[in-house]
Amino acid sequence: GAVVSQHPSRVICKSGTSVKIECRSLDFQATTMFWYRQFPKQSLMLMATSNEGSKATYEQGVEKDKFLINHASLTLSTLTVTSAHPEDSSFYICSARTAGSRYNEQFFGPGTRLTVL
Amino acid sequence: AQSVTQLGSHVSVSEGALVLLRCNYSSSVPPYLFWYVQYPNQGLQLLLKYTSAATLVKGINGFEAEFKKSETSFHLTKPSAHMSDAAEYFCAVSENYGGATNKLIFGTGTLLAVQP
Repeated sequence: GAVVSQHPSRVICKSGTSVKIECRSLDFQATTMFWYRQFPKQSLMLMATSNEGSKATYEQGVEKDKFLINHASLTLSTLTVTSAHPEDSSFYICSARTAGSRYNEQFFGPGTRLTVL
Repeated sequence: AQSVTQLGSHVSVSEGALVLLRCNYSSSVPPYLFWYVQYPNQGLQLLLKYTSAATLVKGINGFEAEFKKSETSFHLTKPSAHMSDAAEYFCAVSENYGGATNKLIFGTGTLLAVQP
């Protein structure tokens, strides 16, 4: 149980285009989903927290107009990188938490490798 | 503010040797603590978690960790390393209260290498 998927696993795009990444909880309802960014050989940096049906809460320094997050259902959250540039190239990981989680346990997706040319 | 410190960004052990990965935390309230493992180009997998019950926590793949309040530590151990244990390990802390926006704060990670 507690499986989270991400699609696509890898994407290459041209500078200036937008890219959408999907995060799905496959066997549970995720009231809260988190989006992280990870640079090579570094830790995870939380970008934003999204609760189903409400606006995402972005961490300081993360551009909300650049990284659009939608959490329209209890099993799906999307991250759209708008007008992508090479510096947006990174490994993006989502995680999900159930409504009844007492311990803030998060289940992570396999990640999406974004390369912007 | 919460924080997590992982001492040693790289640890190398021989196959069959003891694995010890260090994690120290700082939190103003009793924390929840987690160890995650990440294999190359993959997401994070939960190894184990401390949730204020037993101080010695057993996880998957033979790993365990002991919560020591006096030392503010939550070190990860495994008696005998296997080649498949080679990966990046992250310690994380979450404050011990309910809330929709609780965050996990991650350490900088420790890359474990296992030598044959």
